[in-house]
Amino acid sequence: AQTVTQSQPEMSVQEAETVTLSCTYDTSESDYYLFWYKQPPSRQMILVIRQEAYKQQNATENRFSVNFQKAAKSFSLKISDSQLGDAAMYFCAYRSTPWSASKLTFGTGTRLQVTL
Amino acid sequence: DTEVTQTPKHLVMGMTNKKSLKCEQHMGHRAMYWYKQKAKKPPELMFVYSYEKLSINESVPSRFSPECPNSSLLNLHLHALQPEDSALYLCASSQDRANSPLHFGNGTRLTVT
Repeated sequence: AQTVTQSQPEMSVQEAETVTLSCTYDTSESDYYLFWYKQPPSRQMILVIRQEAYKQQNATENRFSVNFQKAAKSFSLKISDSQLGDAAMYFCAYRSTPWSASKLTFGTGTRLQVTL
Repeated sequence: DTEVTQTPKHLVMGMTNKKSLKCEQHMGHRAMYWYKQKAKKPPELMFVYSYEKLSINESVPSRFSPECPNSSLLNLHLHALQPEDSALYLCASSQDRANSPLHFGNGTRLTVT
């Protein structure tokens, strides 16, 4: 079974600074998808960014980017120019292929605080 | 605005009650999911429906009964729950592509007394 590990229960960053959240995973599969979701106090899980394992290029979405190291099974999230609205719980998630309605497995989460 | 709508937002029920959680999406997604999330924990998968058929049941107790009446609706029927079943129940949907992300609703906060 796949496992996803987030070793940082809590992180703090000052507004406008950059922070990196760590995620590692364990799998024997060669093809899969990785996601970062955020969950603010409103409870809704919101997709931040996704990465296909077969793509070597790291995904970017505006201020959010990933550092995907397939051999190391590492998938970190970098948030640049942090904003107060970035404060939330961040979950790394793994999804196997090829079946589309397959299980999405979440890590334990990292709570991000953004300070002035 | 969320594209996956869950009702009710909050629910308090006794252990002998029967209640249902409802989820609706109009994005044309053919896969729908129920997740359970305890406080300060990640969501845990309960059920997956694909094209209105149950495709994954993560060994969920029978007091939870899912139903997918059509491609837009997903229900979770609750009966004889225990206090430890109190949690946030999240519904999600996705397209039928492996790289399709899940779209989540705002969840139903369930308290079993």
